[in-house]
Amino acid sequence: DVKVTQSSRYLVKRTGEKVFLECVQDMDHENMFWYRQDPGLGLRLIYFSYDVKMKEKGDIPEGYSVSREKKERFSLILESASTNQTSMYLCASSPPGSGGAYNEQFFGPGTRLTVL
Amino acid sequence: LAKTTQPISMDSYEGQEVNITCSHNNIATNDYITWYQQFPSQGPRFIIQGYKTKVTNEVASLFIPADRKSSTLSLPRVSLSDTAVYYCLVQGRALTFGSGTRLQVQP
Repeated sequence: DVKVTQSSRYLVKRTGEKVFLECVQDMDHENMFWYRQDPGLGLRLIYFSYDVKMKEKGDIPEGYSVSREKKERFSLILESASTNQTSMYLCASSPPGSGGAYNEQFFGPGTRLTVL
Repeated sequence: LAKTTQPISMDSYEGQEVNITCSHNNIATNDYITWYQQFPSQGPRFIIQGYKTKVTNEVASLFIPADRKSSTLSLPRVSLSDTAVYYCLVQGRALTFGSGTRLQVQP
């Protein structure tokens, strides 16, 4: 069975802390994604990666960075957490699609981050 | 970027057919349309994907008109377990999710 795991289901951090959210997939997928999900706003793409050490900004990259040193692992980093980064963070992976499109994305269960 | 718009919520009864429409006026030539289902405390799950006309699988149908500026997810004979949030995603070089439609199925 396809599996995407995220390091924590719930996380509480303080303003100014550096926060690492880890995501691991076991499907040998090239593409990995980080989204945040907020009520009324749906899912918004933060960053994605289509290969090891490759990354591209999504719609809302400000305040975030990412790291992909191994194919199976994609980390989201909040350099200095702020209260407006309190949200649900979802990681996903997918194999490459044709014509530049993306195939089905497989999502992890999410990490609910609270920044106090 | 293709912006997507969906109804915020819909109500239905068990056994009825439910149609959820998503508008995506700025869809690009290479973009595909994908629908996901999300239950509370879980990540979204793929339902169906299409490019044009009609696609059908074991759980849903997807109707896309010739101009591709909208798409309709059709769920036949819904049950209580179909109560969830449904997201429309336009995906190509960019990935744009809609804000989701909360479907409530009543007995």
